[in-house]
Amino acid sequence: KAGVTQTPRYLIKTRGQQVTLSCSPISGHRSVSWYQQTPGQGLQFLFEYFSETQRNKGNFPGRFSGRQFSNSRSEMNVSTLELGDSALYLCASSSETGLLKPTGELFFGEGSRLTVL
Amino acid sequence: KQEVTQIPAALSVPEGENLVLNCSFTDSAIYNLQWFRQDPGKGLTSLLLIQSSQREQTSGRLNASLDKSSGRSTLYIAASQPGDSATYLCAVSPVAGGYQKVTFGTGTKLQVIP
Repeated sequence: KAGVTQTPRYLIKTRGQQVTLSCSPISGHRSVSWYQQTPGQGLQFLFEYFSETQRNKGNFPGRFSGRQFSNSRSEMNVSTLELGDSALYLCASSSETGLLKPTGELFFGEGSRLTVL
Repeated sequence: KQEVTQIPAALSVPEGENLVLNCSFTDSAIYNLQWFRQDPGKGLTSLLLIQSSQREQTSGRLNASLDKSSGRSTLYIAASQPGDSATYLCAVSPVAGGYQKVTFGTGTKLQVIP
């Protein structure tokens, strides 16, 4: 069974540009969460999607957005990039159904390393 | 607000030693606790998941315990190997609030010296 796949693995952008990151969850998983990881702040929650609906959102500016497609693949977009957006962006999928269980076991991808110059 | 602490931040041990990593949390109303390892520049690999109703889980040389009343979980690694060198993180999921309330510790960086 394939794991969580994130693309691209590495990318370099300049300030003011925008970037789109992709995440394909484990087959059958409908929940996809996104996180930003930096040395100073650790792992910070961005948002979570379930069946194409954003269920949860972290404390990030509106420049950070995302979506989920009918096949559960998810994308996140960061517009007007700033130097501080340089980070490892991780997505995680979960098999929980969203009905009775609050959260399920999280399975992470390898991440997308974004460098903003 | 849930706070998760992992002490020590870094640990260096000789190969073959048994070791314990600690994870402390302030709010005992948790749904589950998950242990991960992270290699440099890579994603998080799930090691063990303990539901709130469980006391421990085992996988190979790894054993994780959970004591909700004291707000503590430990990850025991037996007969450590250089390949175990990585950063170990714990994550605590709440009973309510969804994924935005999952709280991660800052990790313990483990180095196993051959």
